[in-house]
Amino acid sequence: AQKVTQAQTEISVVEKEDVTLDCVYETRDTTYYLFWYKQPPSGELVFLIRRNSFDEQNEISGRYSWNFQKSTSSFNFTITASQVVDSAVYFCAPRDNYGQNFVFGPGTRLSVLP
Amino acid sequence: EAQVTQNPRYLITVTGKKLTVTCSQNMNHEYMSWYRQDPGLGLRQIYYSMNVEVTDKGDVPEGYKVSRKEKRNFPLILESPSPNQTSLYFCASSLWGGEGANVLTFGAGSRLTVL
Repeated sequence: AQKVTQAQTEISVVEKEDVTLDCVYETRDTTYYLFWYKQPPSGELVFLIRRNSFDEQNEISGRYSWNFQKSTSSFNFTITASQVVDSAVYFCAPRDNYGQNFVFGPGTRLSVLP
Repeated sequence: EAQVTQNPRYLITVTGKKLTVTCSQNMNHEYMSWYRQDPGLGLRQIYYSMNVEVTDKGDVPEGYKVSRKEKRNFPLILESPSPNQTSLYFCASSLWGGEGANVLTFGAGSRLTVL
């Protein structure tokens, strides 16, 4: 079965610092998808990124970047020049290609202080 | 507006009193699922459905029922709620193929308290 480890329970940084959120997963499949979701203090869950395990290129979207390392089963998320609005709980979630359920990690609570 | 709507948003009930949390999506998504969120445990899947009349258990199905009679609706039923089902519940839906597949759209959440 899939398993997700987000070792950092809580992180606090000061605005403009860079911060990396770690995600390590276990999956029995050779092909799978990886997701990150954000849950701001208002409570809704917002999709950030989906990656296919075939595609190991790192991705950058504005201040956000993702580092996918299939060899170490990691899919880490970096926020550059963090802002207070980045304060949220971030969830990593793999889904194997043939399964039908998503497994979410326990989440990392990021606090960006002004 | 494309969305997942769940109701009620907040509910306080007592042990044993049956309740239903409704979930409806207007995006013609095949896949729908329910999660509960508890502190330190993240989101855990309760049930999911690949299409009408096709449902299956997630990781924590005990004490819950679901049905998928129509594509847009996926209600969560607690036949005899107990205090350990006090939680924040999320409904989600997604396409299962093509562009945008597997990207979950979540409802706003339903906070349930069982006394």
